[in-house]
Amino acid sequence: GAGVSQSPRYKVAKRGQDVALRCDPISGHVSLFWYQQALGQGPEFLTYFQNEAQLDKSGLPSDRFFAERPEGSVSTLKIQRTQQEDSAVYLCASSLEARGYWTYEQYFGPGTRLTVT
Amino acid sequence: TQLLEQSPQFLSIQEGENLTVYCNSSSVFSSLQWYRQEPGEGPVLLVTVVTGGEVKKLKRLTFQFGDARKDSSLHITAAQPGDTGLYLCAGEGDYKLSFGAGTTVTVRA
Repeated sequence: GAGVSQSPRYKVAKRGQDVALRCDPISGHVSLFWYQQALGQGPEFLTYFQNEAQLDKSGLPSDRFFAERPEGSVSTLKIQRTQQEDSAVYLCASSLEARGYWTYEQYFGPGTRLTVT
Repeated sequence: TQLLEQSPQFLSIQEGENLTVYCNSSSVFSSLQWYRQEPGEGPVLLVTVVTGGEVKKLKRLTFQFGDARKDSSLHITAAQPGDTGLYLCAGEGDYKLSFGAGTTVTVRA
């Protein structure tokens, strides 16, 4: 079956522009995660959805970052007034379920590489 | 800031040699996962270790979880060029994954 897909794969934005990054999780997966991966670093957690509910947004670096998953499937990560430090790969992952302290395996998409000039 | 420290950062070896990658943390995790990431792709899960002292083998890869569930190692025997990639460890807690910075492994033919 299809895995997690993300679009666009590459995005170049001028500083100050708004961008929207899309994630299509695996069908039927309840949980959806966004991570930010800077060059030479491991992914860092941004936010977590269970169905349409955003249960944790503690990793969002500023109020310029906003994520939604209105129907519990596709998710969009929006970054307003982009800055150079926002340049990174944004990874989306989905899992069958997250329960309590642990989660089923997270399946990652290929990521969107955002470059802010 | 990465909660998990990986070492070494880079590793370049000849085909057929063995290698070990280490992952250390001051935090205890409910489980620890190892991923491999190739350029332009997302991380792919290799293994999950849950019990302190646990050892798992996956063909030529051996994973060990420390007794205190704070550290782990990945050992590859007789490395092949196909093992080239970024190896990431990730600790799981509160359903979140906390990743290390990764070890870039290059296996030369």
